[in-house]
Amino acid sequence: SQQGEEDPQALSIQEGENATMNCSYKTSINNLQWYRQNSGRGLVHLILIRSNEREKHSGRLRVTLDTSKKSSSLLITASRAADTASYFCATDEEQAGTALIFGKGTTLSVSS
Amino acid sequence: DTGVSQNPRHKITKRGQNVTFRCDPISEHNRLYWYRQTLGQGPEFLTYFQNEAQLEKSRLLSDRFSAERPKGSFSTLEIQRTEQGDSAMYLCASSLGRTFYNEQFFGPGTRLTVL
Repeated sequence: SQQGEEDPQALSIQEGENATMNCSYKTSINNLQWYRQNSGRGLVHLILIRSNEREKHSGRLRVTLDTSKKSSSLLITASRAADTASYFCATDEEQAGTALIFGKGTTLSVSS
Repeated sequence: DTGVSQNPRHKITKRGQNVTFRCDPISEHNRLYWYRQTLGQGPEFLTYFQNEAQLEKSRLLSDRFSAERPKGSFSTLEIQRTEQGDSAMYLCASSLGRTFYNEQFFGPGTRLTVL
């Protein structure tokens, strides 16, 4: 079963704007990861944030984690047309095995 | 290319036929995972290997599904007597091992269409 929900389900912005996607989950986690998937392709790992971290940066990506609210956000700054893709959060649950639990994803469309 | 590879990339089969997919993980990774993804959904876990041992299976993995990793390197996923509901993208991922990080690297997937 899927762990959480991404919000919004779909997001359309112009190049240069920032895109924010949110993820909520249900159980205690070891870490939370964000992946990108271009249409019909495999997943590309973007960033991992551990449960004892609150914020992490990687290039134009900023991820926050609030374990008290069981939520995370992914911010993409200065978006480009090439950022058009689906974005998934995935949690590594404390009590589960090693499987990642994915949400349904946010579809981001960046127009030039 | 030293990433995760999967073959074939696409498979079209008729209902009732058997299909087999192959995954080659990143060479130094001892953990290998299979996921299934249907349209509009995130990937769902099917099964996981540490070296050659299959340590975890999802209840999604019916008796028609079997996975192997005979030498702890590549893995195969076989679906017997395929059904139309098996149509999906089958994704393979590998990782270095259970650390606090468990960063998984995914292959391009095999898209299965059952007619």
